[in-house]
Formats: sequence, structure tokens, C-alpha cells
Amino acid sequence: AQKITQTQPGMFVQEKEAVTLDCTYDTSDPSYGLFWYKQPSSGEMIFLIYQGSYDQQNATEGRYSLNFQKARKSANLVISASQLGDSAMYFCAMRSDTGGFKTIFGAGTRLFVKA
Amino acid sequence: DAGVIQSPRHEVTEMGQEVTLRCKPISGHNSLFWYRQTMMRGLELLIYFNNNVPIDDSGMPEDRFSAKMPNASFSTLKIQPSEPRDSAVYFCASSLKDTYNSPLHFGNGTRLTVT
Repeated sequence: AQKITQTQPGMFVQEKEAVTLDCTYDTSDPSYGLFWYKQPSSGEMIFLIYQGSYDQQNATEGRYSLNFQKARKSANLVISASQLGDSAMYFCAMRSDTGGFKTIFGAGTRLFVKA
Repeated sequence: DAGVIQSPRHEVTEMGQEVTLRCKPISGHNSLFWYRQTMMRGLELLIYFNNNVPIDDSGMPEDRFSAKMPNASFSTLKIQPSEPRDSAVYFCASSLKDTYNSPLHFGNGTRLTVT
């Protein structure tokens, strides 16, 4: 069965510091994509970053990077130089052929950035 | 470049009434998804379409829910009759392709309150 697990309901980070949000996944499909989305208090869902199962290098998008450890089935999001505007809910998600190309989401981690 | 457009943004209705939520996907995207978000259950996939054809509706809670996609630029999610437990934020999302490496792009959601 396909599953995404985010074990940190809430995280605090000091402004300008880096923070890692954890995500583990379970799939038997060799072809899959991992995604992170941000949901600020205004409610919209914003796509942040993508990692493919065959990608050799970790994905990066500006201050966001994805620490992909395939053998451990983890896809942690690293936010560098946190800003107050990074305070939001963050969701890890997965999409695969075995899952019928549906995207499944984890429960999310709420990040609080302190000034 | 217009994103996914949902209407209405907010809907308040009384139990037993019919509710229709609307979605216009990003032009050129061939997959469309309806999700429901609640505090208790997180993000749940209700149904998804590929090339206007429903592919998986296993997440639709019961017969009171129905969804249609009459053409590539429009979809509706209907609840009839509505119940208080249907209160949630309903998101529509689209993706360019029906593949594992294609991210979802979300609309701003419809906040439904059934009294």
C-alpha cells in the first residue's frame, strides 16, 4: 500500500536558521515522484519542489532542497535561512503508477518561524 | 498565466440543500482532481479525471456526491443533499500529464459550511 508519513505535527525554527521537515514514504513501485507543498494560513496549496525516484541528485529550488535517501525511503524538506513568511503547513506527497497516478498526502507539519 | 480557478470561495448552506462547486483547470492540463480537506482527515482525494474521463472515484464518500467534467475546461462537484459533516475545504487541482512526475496545481479552494 502507498503511504506517506510525516511524524512532526509542529516545528519551531529561529528566523535565518535552517530547518528540516521529515517525510517517509512507502511504495513498491520503482517509478514515483515525491512533492512538497506549502499551505499558508490563507489556505492555498503551493507546489514547492519535486524529486523523481530515478533522480541521482537531490532537488533544489531556491531556499528549498530535498534530502532524498532512497534506501531509507525518506524525502526530507530542508528550508535554509528561514523567513517569517515560511510559517505555514507543509505537506509531503507522492505520485506513482501503482497508485494509479493519484497523489497521496501526508498529515502535514506546521512550521512556526520565530523572530 | 491563470491558475486553477474555483468558485465560489465560500459557500454557506442549510442541511438538505444542493451544493455545486465549480472548477476551471489550467489550460492544457489533462488531469483534474477533487480533494477535500478537514482537520480530522487531512487531504482526501475524492475523484480524479484524465482527459475528461473519471478514472478513480473510490474516494467519493457516498451517493450524495457526484462529479462531472463535460469538457477540458470545466468540472463540477455536486453534493445533494448536503449534511453538516460535509463542511470542509474542497480543492480542485490539475496536472499537465497523468504521470508520476507531474505536480498538482491547486485552486484556492471552496470553504463549505453546512448548517
